[in-house]
Amino acid sequence: KNEVEQSPQNLTAQEGEFITINCSYSVGISALHWLQQHPGGGIVSLFMLSSGKKKHGRLIATINIQEKHSSLHITASHPRDSAVYICAVIRGNYQLIWGAGTKLIIKP
Amino acid sequence: EAQVTQNPRYLITVTGKKLTVTCSQNMNHEYMSWYRQDPGLGLRQIYYSMNVEVTDKGDVPEGYKVSRKEKRNFPLILESPSPNQTSLYFCASSWLAGAGEQYFGPGTRLTVT
Repeated sequence: KNEVEQSPQNLTAQEGEFITINCSYSVGISALHWLQQHPGGGIVSLFMLSSGKKKHGRLIATINIQEKHSSLHITASHPRDSAVYICAVIRGNYQLIWGAGTKLIIKP
Repeated sequence: EAQVTQNPRYLITVTGKKLTVTCSQNMNHEYMSWYRQDPGLGLRQIYYSMNVEVTDKGDVPEGYKVSRKEKRNFPLILESPSPNQTSLYFCASSWLAGAGEQYFGPGTRLTVT
């Protein structure tokens, strides 16, 4: 079983829908990253969080350390949000364990 | 502009022909790392470096070498490439290993025939 599981693996939605991507992990962590990989391949960091919630524009990330779960939400989704969203958790020695990613397609 | 650069971006080569993929960052980060990405498998770490002259194996180091002679550069070396090393490769850096914001290079798509 993978130590970091993302769900769903693939998600297709209509423009404007509220999107939720989940990340569950089985190891003790200090914090967690959410990253976005564009269709062209480039990877950018969206959030790093260790508790509570962070918001940037239409993106919201939450984490519950006790439940070993994090979610990434996108409000008012747009076709330009189409990308692969990747969760990575930070274990004690500052190394990252990566999820396999969620491929999101937003249709106009 | 803060960035991680990789070269080449695309490379097609033949089995056994040594190659080097360069990686350079301009943010004075101590931590640098190489990943490969294959369909359905996500990012897998090849090697990482906590500082100059300090490198360590990641999850899939077989068939790869690295060096860290300067803080800004972290080349990935394939001494004798094989077709199973066909993949998309990313270099990344951060100020504090996994605990810092991760900056990725644009990726190198390698095909070994």
